[in-house]
Amino acid sequence: QKEVEQNSGPLSVPEGAIASLNCTYSDRVSQSFFWYRQYSGKSPELIMSIYSNGDKEDGRFTAQLNKASQYVSLLIRDSQPSDSATYLCAVTKSFKLTFGKGITLSVRP
Amino acid sequence: DAGVTQSPTHLIKTRGQQVTLRCSPKSGHDTVSWYQQALGQGPQFIFQYYEEEERQRGNFPDRFSGHQFPNYSSELNVNALLLGDSALYLCASSLRTGDYGYTFGSGTRLTVV
Repeated sequence: QKEVEQNSGPLSVPEGAIASLNCTYSDRVSQSFFWYRQYSGKSPELIMSIYSNGDKEDGRFTAQLNKASQYVSLLIRDSQPSDSATYLCAVTKSFKLTFGKGITLSVRP
Repeated sequence: DAGVTQSPTHLIKTRGQQVTLRCSPKSGHDTVSWYQQALGQGPQFIFQYYEEEERQRGNFPDRFSGHQFPNYSSELNVNALLLGDSALYLCASSLRTGDYGYTFGSGTRLTVV
């Protein structure tokens, strides 16, 4: 079992819709959880961090964490074509940041 | 406030050669991690340096080595290059625990021919 799994994708949504991205992790002692956005040919950019169970909202983005289910998700409301990118889920344990393979999101105008 | 700086941005090397990549961390960060990202994959952890010591290492052969200097900057060295080493190499800096997130440099695109 991979440490961080992002199995769904690629994902295509119309402009203005809600995009839902999911991620599971295998190690219960994982400490911090992040979502990075990566445009093609660029480096990852941190867009959300979450540390405790529940929801965390920042503008159009909401991160959700459920430690019991070992599940973290990212919701993007009012999706825009500029949101088209690869979204990487990442978790830390013992100072090390581990990534999933990413989900490619395409927002259709 | 300077972010993470990596050099060079692009590099072409021949199989069997050696390469050195460089990274300057974000101001205030003391920990540097290196990642390899192949096309279509998430970044894979190579190793992490803190207090000039390799603190953790991923599943990479000994051909991959590194160093951290007193000013927290870091180098990644790869010996005996293979075609499969072609990838985007990313440097990320953080505080010691990494709990507040990692900041990535723009990467070095290495092509081995």
